[in-house]
Amino acid sequence: DAKTTQPNSMESNEEEPVHLPCNHSTISGTDYIHWYRQLPSQGPEYVIHGLTSNVNNRMASLAIAEDRKSSTLILHRATLRDAAVYYCILCPSGTYKYIFGTGTRLKVLA
Amino acid sequence: NAGVTQTPKFQVLKTGQSMTLQCAQDMNHEYMSWYRQDPGMGLRLIHYSVGAGITDQGEVPNGYNVSRSTTEDFPLRLLSAAPSQTSVYFCASISLGGSTDTQYFGPGTRLTVL
Repeated sequence: DAKTTQPNSMESNEEEPVHLPCNHSTISGTDYIHWYRQLPSQGPEYVIHGLTSNVNNRMASLAIAEDRKSSTLILHRATLRDAAVYYCILCPSGTYKYIFGTGTRLKVLA
Repeated sequence: NAGVTQTPKFQVLKTGQSMTLQCAQDMNHEYMSWYRQDPGMGLRLIHYSVGAGITDQGEVPNGYNVSRSTTEDFPLRLLSAAPSQTSVYFCASISLGGSTDTQYFGPGTRLTVL
């Protein structure tokens, strides 16, 4: 199964954009890229997902490299409530068998 | 909708004891799954089900049993608890073929095996 690699931790100032990188060099052609985040003592919650094209929603944007070996989650204006562990997850098409990495712990500074 | 609910929130077991972690969802989702999360780690898939009467193994199924008699419920059974099963357990569900790929996770059950 393809794996993801993320930095262990990142910091951002409040109200500034945050770019969270993810490497997935062994991704297969049909793997979707999902991002979830986990707030303290809670279950993961969906942020965004995509296959090949960049995606935007009300929470974030997802930029996918042309070769699909990496992606970046973009939070346009970080708030204190965005402090969480962010997981980049690969999901084979037709399944929901998520392969979690260890995630990036985002700290947002006031 | 209550979403995905899990009981209990906390549980302490002694080695060798058995117990069932409960998971229920009220969204009529076909797909349900169980994950475990060890300290400082990401989640790992234990078992999953694509509908009533259908279950399959995930990445770390040993020591756990599941069954799916209804769409709503997906209990996870520990037959003989071991300290290595100390973890936080999350249940999740998603609608197959739905308009969204959002998987909904429950709040988790924190299990300690002494």
